[in-house]
Amino acid sequence: DAGVIQSPRHEVTEMGQEVTLRCKPISGHDYLFWYRQTMMRGLELLIYFNNNVPIDDSGMPEDRFSAKMPNASFSTLKIQPSEPRDSAVYFCASSYSGTDTQYFGPGTRLTVL
Amino acid sequence: EDKVVQSPLSLVVHEGDTVTLNCSYEVTNFRSLLWYKQEKKAPTFLFMLTSSGIEKKSGRLSSILDKKELFSILNITATQTGDSAIYLCAVGRGYAGGTSYGKLTFGQGTILTVHP
Repeated sequence: DAGVIQSPRHEVTEMGQEVTLRCKPISGHDYLFWYRQTMMRGLELLIYFNNNVPIDDSGMPEDRFSAKMPNASFSTLKIQPSEPRDSAVYFCASSYSGTDTQYFGPGTRLTVL
Repeated sequence: EDKVVQSPLSLVVHEGDTVTLNCSYEVTNFRSLLWYKQEKKAPTFLFMLTSSGIEKKSGRLSSILDKKELFSILNITATQTGDSAIYLCAVGRGYAGGTSYGKLTFGQGTILTVHP
């Protein structure tokens, strides 16, 4: 079975550019989570969805960040405009509502110059 | 607000040593506690504990939960260099209204380094 799929794996961009990160959750999972990880702040939950509906976006740092889940098999996290402090590893994870176990994708390492 | 605290924050040992990692938590309507291992990539699931006093074991790793004292420990015996990683503890809450159901609150992690 395929795990959580994320793309791209690495992204280098310049300040001010738009960045779009993509995620395909495990088939059948109804929860999808976006996290950001840095050395300073650890693993932070940005937003999560249940059945494609955003449930809690209180972790989204500011209006430059937005996330969508148009269907059960696809989600995007967009940063516009990007800033150097957005540099981090962004993980997508999914789970099934019957359990708390989340399965993480390989992550996208974002570098904003 | 839910809180998960791990200790120590970092630990350096030699191969063959036994280590104990700690995780304490404060969470409303506790449902589960999970341990993850993170090497130079994504966190991978190790254990999920929901009941006090029942040890979960996988090879040299074991974990137990104390719901009265609100903590869990992860033991690794006969450590190997491949055990070097960040170990993350997370808690999930049961439904009690609001928007926290389904999400995990993670601790800051313990960085374990095992030298040959």
